Amino acid sequence: AQSVTQPDIHITVSEGASLELRCNYSYGATPYLFWYVQSPGQGLQLLLKYFSGDTLVQGIKGFEAEFKRSQSSFNLRKPSVHWSDAAEYFCAVGLTGTASKLTFGTGTRLQVTL
Amino acid sequence: GAGVSQSPRYKVTKRGQDVALRCDPISGHVSLYWYRQALGQGPEFLTYFNYEAQQDKSGLPNDRFSAERPEGSISTLTIQRTEQRDSAMYRCASSLELSDTQYFGPGTRLTVL
Repeated sequence: AQSVTQPDIHITVSEGASLELRCNYSYGATPYLFWYVQSPGQGLQLLLKYFSGDTLVQGIKGFEAEFKRSQSSFNLRKPSVHWSDAAEYFCAVGLTGTASKLTFGTGTRLQVTL
Repeated sequence: GAGVSQSPRYKVTKRGQDVALRCDPISGHVSLYWYRQALGQGPEFLTYFNYEAQQDKSGLPNDRFSAERPEGSISTLTIQRTEQRDSAMYRCASSLELSDTQYFGPGTRLTVL
């Protein structure tokens, strides 16, 4: 069965600083990969996804992620963090050929200091 | 509607009671998914439907949990004889087609006393 690891439970960055959130997965083939963001009291919002093709994917709100097959990673990045980016971020994987049953990581809580 | 809606948003019940959680998907979305999210954890898959057919219920914890989507639109997740360990956020998502991007609702926070 596939699994997802988000090694950082909590990260604090200053506003304007760059951000990288780590995500590693365990699966025998290339899965479908997703990053979602959850703000307090809100549902999960999709930031970006990777199904195939270009390994650098652009998402909403200035986020991007890079799929690295050799490292089984799909890290999320943003060059300059805004205070409104403070939220919880979840990486998720779906089996190749289907995104119907997503497996989520435990999440990384991002705090932004002014 | 504009997004996935879930009701109630909050549910407090006593141990042993049955609860029904409702999910109204985005109009036109044929696939619907249920997840459960414990505090400090990521969502955990429960079950999903394609139209009215329940395709996979491997994530349902035990036979107290059931779900239906009789007309291929609104879905209900029912938990019978609730236990304290059932307390969690229950999230519903829908997608235009199977394996398409899942859009999540705000969730129902269930508390079992």
